[in-house]
Amino acid sequence: DTGVSQDPRHKITKRGQNVTFRCDPISEHNRLYWYRQTLGQGPEFLTYFQNEAQLEKSRLLSDRFSAERPKGSFSTLEIQRTEQGDSAMYLCASSGDRNEQFFGPGTRLTVL
Amino acid sequence: KQEVTQIPAALSVPEGENLVLNCSFTDSAIYNLQWFRQDPGKGLTSLLLIQSSQREQTSGRLNASLDKSSGRSTLYIAASQPGDSATYLCAVMASGGSYIPTFGRGTSLIVHP
Repeated sequence: DTGVSQDPRHKITKRGQNVTFRCDPISEHNRLYWYRQTLGQGPEFLTYFQNEAQLEKSRLLSDRFSAERPKGSFSTLEIQRTEQGDSAMYLCASSGDRNEQFFGPGTRLTVL
Repeated sequence: KQEVTQIPAALSVPEGENLVLNCSFTDSAIYNLQWFRQDPGKGLTSLLLIQSSQREQTSGRLNASLDKSSGRSTLYIAASQPGDSATYLCAVMASGGSYIPTFGRGTSLIVHP
């Protein structure tokens, strides 16, 4: 297993378009997290899954954001009607029994 | 609500120095604390994980300590090298079953030759 992977690595879109990102966690990890990070800030929690169940969602997450983790494997994060303020690095992490987080390389989103 | 502060925000040192990076948190009811490094434009790389029952962890030139009662963790980097240049972040996971980490803003480190 090569770790957490994310696709795409970069996404440029126009305001108002929908985008979807994918995360493949480490295979034996049951928790999967999504974060957003902007320049000079630490990662900001968005949502997390334990297996296929979405257990927590940040109150900062607008209704335009939705995440899924079908069958408890990979996860997708969709942003509808993107806005310029959505431009950020979107990070995915997974963890197992020790709750040690392992991060993917991130998806850099630019909304024009 | 847990708040995590990292001091200093930035640090520039000559190669070979021993470094101390600080992380403080407001709620001592934690499950674990994790240190990461992040290179520009990249994801986070896990360095050390300290469970709440532990006082310190070591990996190579890195040593992290945890003092829950005072709400502090310290990352020591011995004999710094230019390759250590990166942003170092700490994340605190609260106890109580939420399993949601809170991150600091990081310390940006530059080690110059």
